[in-house]
Amino acid sequence: IVLTQSPGTLSLSPGERATLSCRASQSVSSSYLAWYQQKPGQAPRLLIYGASTRATGISDRFSGSGSGTDFTLTISRLEPEDFAVYYCQQYGTSLTFGGGTKVEI
Amino acid sequence: EVHLVESGGGLVQPGGSLRLSCAASGFTFSSYWMSWVRQAPGKGLEWVASIKQDGSEKDDVDSVKGRFTISRDNAKNSVYLQMNSLRVEDTAVYYCARTGGPGWSKLYNWFAPWGQGTLVTVSS
Repeated sequence: IVLTQSPGTLSLSPGERATLSCRASQSVSSSYLAWYQQKPGQAPRLLIYGASTRATGISDRFSGSGSGTDFTLTISRLEPEDFAVYYCQQYGTSLTFGGGTKVEI
Repeated sequence: EVHLVESGGGLVQPGGSLRLSCAASGFTFSSYWMSWVRQAPGKGLEWVASIKQDGSEKDDVDSVKGRFTISRDNAKNSVYLQMNSLRVEDTAVYYCARTGGPGWSKLYNWFAPWGQGTLVTVSS
């Protein structure tokens, strides 16, 4: 399954809402879709799994939605620490990652 | 606190071998699948391999089949990646990651947490 993330780069200001898209080339079974945040020089951090379940310790500013082939990560109000690269990953049929969306100031 | 620490990366010539190690602490290691994920410089993430709690099941991405082998030693709370016949395109930071939840049987899953990574550079 190929995951296509859009946009490639999202330029926003702190306090704004961010909407990131992840589209799959075929249906992702059982909504086995995760989202990660990666900051420069750091390892990725799990934000969301099962398309909409927040991982332990993740702020409720982050929410995931979608099913089938279309998934969305929403950051309700951007904080300075949210500017990073975000990846989606499907784990329903083997394992693949999307190409990432950079959220920049 | 859960901790994953990778080691073993370095510079190797094309065709050479390396063995990566990942030492785990802070959780019941034998209850979790473990995986390796890599990231080429300036690029995205690519799953490499995963291994079941008792080592009885494993899988890896097509691009490394027959060259890389994932293994684990539950007595040492460690997972390994033996990399043979290395290619320039294997150059990447290799991350070790705990996979899914405790006792889960599903082969493919999400990754949390991740180690800090170890850099493998394949170059002549």
